[in-house]
Amino acid sequence: QQQVKQSPQSLIVQKGGISIINCAYENTAFDYFPWYQQFPGKGPALLIAIRPDVSEKKEGRFTISFNKSAKQFSLHIMDSQPGDSATYFCAASRDGAGSYQLTFGKGTKLSVIP
Amino acid sequence: GAVVSQHPSRVICKSGTSVKIECRSLDFQATTMFWYRQFPKQSLMLMATSNEGSKATYEQGVEKDKFLINHASLTLSTLTVTSAHPEDSSFYICSASGGGTGYTFGSGTRLTVV
Repeated sequence: QQQVKQSPQSLIVQKGGISIINCAYENTAFDYFPWYQQFPGKGPALLIAIRPDVSEKKEGRFTISFNKSAKQFSLHIMDSQPGDSATYFCAASRDGAGSYQLTFGKGTKLSVIP
Repeated sequence: GAVVSQHPSRVICKSGTSVKIECRSLDFQATTMFWYRQFPKQSLMLMATSNEGSKATYEQGVEKDKFLINHASLTLSTLTVTSAHPEDSSFYICSASGGGTGYTFGSGTRLTVV
């Protein structure tokens, strides 16, 4: 029940295109769903996060879509740029305050080609 | 925003020696610290969770006598890899939380044991 399943494992998108990464979870106690961006040799950085009381959250070119009934959430990167090339991790936790551990997906390596 | 400083960023040590990794919260009090290990092209694997002033809780399969975690203050946690061996070579990442700041990750430490 602690798993977060992420797909695809890798993704190649042309510059200007839309990158879509999907995640599914099982534990209904999860209440906080962040996405992290990680560059090689660096720690993960919070990109955007959502709670189950909303179905969508947008910050700039990044959008999270959340489907509570299906227990799925996804990250959409609009107008993808070469600088977006990184590994993206979805995660889930029982709250966003940091009291509980984050459960991570396996990651998606995004390559944006010119 | 919340900042976590992790040092060193890279360390090479000889087999059999011990290495200490520091994680400091610079502008908030870290009541909870999470330590992760990340192998190449893999996700973050939680090693242990520590609350300030308490003993760390280790995940199944993580040797607590090998990976010593100290969280004696609200701004500093350390991970000591004792009697390091080549198989301990990995990327170690800390994440601190406290006062509603959520999860703030350090920049990671690349450990190479030769």
